[in-house]
Amino acid sequence: EPEVTQTPSHQVTQMGQEVILRCVPISNHLYFYWYRQILGQKVEFLVSFYNNEISEKSEIFDDQFSVERPDGSNFTLKIRSTKLEDSAMYFCASDRVAQPQHFGDGTRLSIL
Amino acid sequence: DQQVKQNSPSLSVQEGRISILNCDYTNSMFDYFLWYKKYPAEGPTFLISISSIKDKNEDGRFTVFLNKSAKHLSLHIVPSQPGDSAVYFCAASGVQGAQKLVFGQGTRLTINP
Repeated sequence: EPEVTQTPSHQVTQMGQEVILRCVPISNHLYFYWYRQILGQKVEFLVSFYNNEISEKSEIFDDQFSVERPDGSNFTLKIRSTKLEDSAMYFCASDRVAQPQHFGDGTRLSIL
Repeated sequence: DQQVKQNSPSLSVQEGRISILNCDYTNSMFDYFLWYKKYPAEGPTFLISISSIKDKNEDGRFTVFLNKSAKHLSLHIVPSQPGDSAVYFCAASGVQGAQKLVFGQGTRLTINP
């Protein structure tokens, strides 16, 4: 069964540094998402992406965040200047109309 | 902003018995509801969903019930198996696919042998 893949599985970064999280969505999916889960809290929506542009973003997704689909397969989340509070699990997901979202196994981001 | 709530952080059930996980929502614009299962160090895995035009959907051992007037849904697992031990998330969206999901806090289900 096709799956969403995310790399790296764990990223450790110094505060203030830029970080890029990578995702390969399921190939015939058209809608792409990033969510995050801070330890002990619920999974929160960050941003959705369709047709090469952001379709919706949450209050969390401020100017420090950006997303890109640089080629036909990858979908990336960039955090420009990381803060301690950015430490979380970041999940990528993808879907099509009338289908459920499928999630990757996540990237654990640790900001020191 | 707690549009989707799972009030039980944990649930313990005997193997072979029924597990019932509950979820409440407040936003009447939600039209599509999903249950995900999550093991440690893995992403959420889709289990079962239901559209607001239905009140029940069944898939093998898993059944989801929706009570729109009460804004309540539940997931029934019968019979419960040790491999069902995981965190279960309820999620909701405005349509089926192509829209963000709003998650509950999750319920940790433990199946005891």
